[in-house]
Amino acid sequence: GAGVSQSPRYKVAKRGQDVALRCDPISGHVSLFWYQQALGQGPEFLTYFQNEAQLDKSGLPSDRFFAERPEGSVSTLKIQRTQQEDSAVYLCASSLEGRGTNYEQYFGPGTRLTVT
Amino acid sequence: AQSVTQLGSHVSVSEGALVLLRCNYSSSVPPYLFWYVQYPNQGLQLLLKYTSAATLVKGINGFEAEFKKSETSFHLTKPSAHMSDAAEYFCAVSVRNQGGKLIFGQGTELSVKP
Repeated sequence: GAGVSQSPRYKVAKRGQDVALRCDPISGHVSLFWYQQALGQGPEFLTYFQNEAQLDKSGLPSDRFFAERPEGSVSTLKIQRTQQEDSAVYLCASSLEGRGTNYEQYFGPGTRLTVT
Repeated sequence: AQSVTQLGSHVSVSEGALVLLRCNYSSSVPPYLFWYVQYPNQGLQLLLKYTSAATLVKGINGFEAEFKKSETSFHLTKPSAHMSDAAEYFCAVSVRNQGGKLIFGQGTELSVKP
């Protein structure tokens, strides 16, 4: 595709529900990142994949958060038993190379999650 | 550990005036630095990046930034603001030994007055 796409764009969940957020990276991009952006804040790193391998999940706030990228392309971020503090915009980004740290990350439009 | 500090959460300028958005970083290794712009309800778009080549970096939409190691700064400037520049701007540093994940500043909201 032309860019990184994310779905749904908006999600409202009742507290305690499970949600799944999808990210379609740019075709051929090796690296995929998830970030969480709370209202009025900068994005914060959640997790990083190189192809299908999850190399860094140090930013996941709790064991309720789980991410996967089974075929090295599409990724899903799952949040179990959502809490109000999970309300945020979840951004996905992809980049071309796996180990280069100066490669541009291309961001999707984000999924705005509201937990009521 | 690496970190980024953006001075000023809100900056307001008049159309045609100089834009200056401040960013200071902390890094134990030579950093890669980035400026991103975010329009409402959109993702982040890269404005420019510093990757240890020229210290004065030119980006899109007339923006540029200068890497100053002695001041640990990477301030973003534009000589003449346009109404369309109103947005949120984020400075970020790339964590080299962790796959290039980005550490962002808190952001600066730029308003442009007619």
